[in-house]
Amino acid sequence: AQSVTQPDIHITVSEGASLELRCNYSYGATPYLFWYVQSPGQGLQLLLKYFSGDTLVQGIKGFEAEFKRSQSSFNLRKPSVHWSDAAEYFCAVVRINSGGSNYKLTFGKGTLLTVNP
Amino acid sequence: DGGITQSPKYLFRKEGQNVTLSCEQNLNHDAMYWYRQDPGQGLRLIYYSQIVNDFQKGDIAEGYSVSREKKESFPLTVTSAQKNPTAFYLCASSIDLGGQYSPMNTEAFFGQGTRLTVV
Repeated sequence: AQSVTQPDIHITVSEGASLELRCNYSYGATPYLFWYVQSPGQGLQLLLKYFSGDTLVQGIKGFEAEFKRSQSSFNLRKPSVHWSDAAEYFCAVVRINSGGSNYKLTFGKGTLLTVNP
Repeated sequence: DGGITQSPKYLFRKEGQNVTLSCEQNLNHDAMYWYRQDPGQGLRLIYYSQIVNDFQKGDIAEGYSVSREKKESFPLTVTSAQKNPTAFYLCASSIDLGGQYSPMNTEAFFGQGTRLTVV
């Protein structure tokens, strides 16, 4: 079964520090990967996505993520965190079967980021 | 501006009552989805639709029903059969369900959510 694991439920960093949020997936073929961010009581906003090509992808708000097939990972990074980055972050993977008609978008359980001043 | 509108933002329901959550999009997307979010559980797929008059069950469809009579609209009804309906509900849409050569079409755009509380 396809799954997405975000090992860290809650991370606290100081403002200005670097950030890395982990995401691992289990799926045999090349997955299509997303990172979303959610502020409290709000919907989800797409940060970045990976479909193919360069394994290091740039997103909005200064975020980037690297796809590592050998490690089945798609970790999210930011060099310097701002207080406004405090939110919950979700990794997601979509699988499309060989027939092109079966859809399955699976989310991890999220990582809550707290930023200390 | 194009987007997805969910209403109401907050909804209270008495036990035993059915309630319908609204979701409208003006992005001209074919595919629409309903997710349920509970603390620490991530997002779980309730139903999805790839075209008008067609929809499929997701992982947790029991106690829910949907309709897709118009491309723009995908309302979700939480029935009295749903044992634990208190949750945050998110509607989303994408161009379509994607395919082997168009995975980018699976990028999902989300509404602002409806918080349902059973009282």
